[in-house]
Amino acid sequence: QVQLRESGPGLVRPAETLSLSCTVSAGSISTYYWNWIRQPPGKALEWIGYSYYTWSSEYNPSLKGRVSISVDTTKNQFSLTLNSVTAADTAIYFCARANKLPYVYYFDSWGQGIQVSVSS
Amino acid sequence: DIQMTQSPSFLSAAVGDRVTITCRASQSISTALNWYQVKPGKPPRLLIFAGDRLESGVSSRFRGSGWGTEFTLTVTGLHSEDFATYFCHQSHSVPWTFGQGTNVEVK
Repeated sequence: QVQLRESGPGLVRPAETLSLSCTVSAGSISTYYWNWIRQPPGKALEWIGYSYYTWSSEYNPSLKGRVSISVDTTKNQFSLTLNSVTAADTAIYFCARANKLPYVYYFDSWGQGIQVSVSS
Repeated sequence: DIQMTQSPSFLSAAVGDRVTITCRASQSISTALNWYQVKPGKPPRLLIFAGDRLESGVSSRFRGSGWGTEFTLTVTGLHSEDFATYFCHQSHSVPWTFGQGTNVEVK
């Protein structure tokens, strides 16, 4: 059964870049849609975006071009880069795999989440 | 963006109860609606996808229904392990969005 695990710094300074990785175990990263999702304190989950293998990606417009998701097939990992962070980017960040039917995507595997705080 | 309004936010129930959680979409999403369960310290778990399709390995006491803008998750015969937070998710249109969550607590 596929397992996902997030890694990265738990503290990032304002205006700097947040970088997280998600390692995928017991499954190929060359198919499926690889996602990042976050949950700010006291708020609903927010979808950040996905990368489909190395071919395509979609991002939440609310992040205004600050975000990038990439897939590294040699390490079976995918990564999140979020530029120019502010306190509003403080959240638990989840990586997740999305499967797809003709008309619906669904997250069938998730990581446990990693707390990231933005503070000086 | 499609707004997902989930209700109730909190629900008190006893073992054996039948509970129903509702998600309303701000516009039609056909059946592009999924339900997840979250427990502290564990990854979210997919329960229902595409409105009413039960994920492999999930108990049949979980049932999803609905189409368009109104969807429900029903748990029939609540077990102790079902006390958790549940949330819905629409994948009809980017950006995909989530409900605020329902915390099912012990009465």
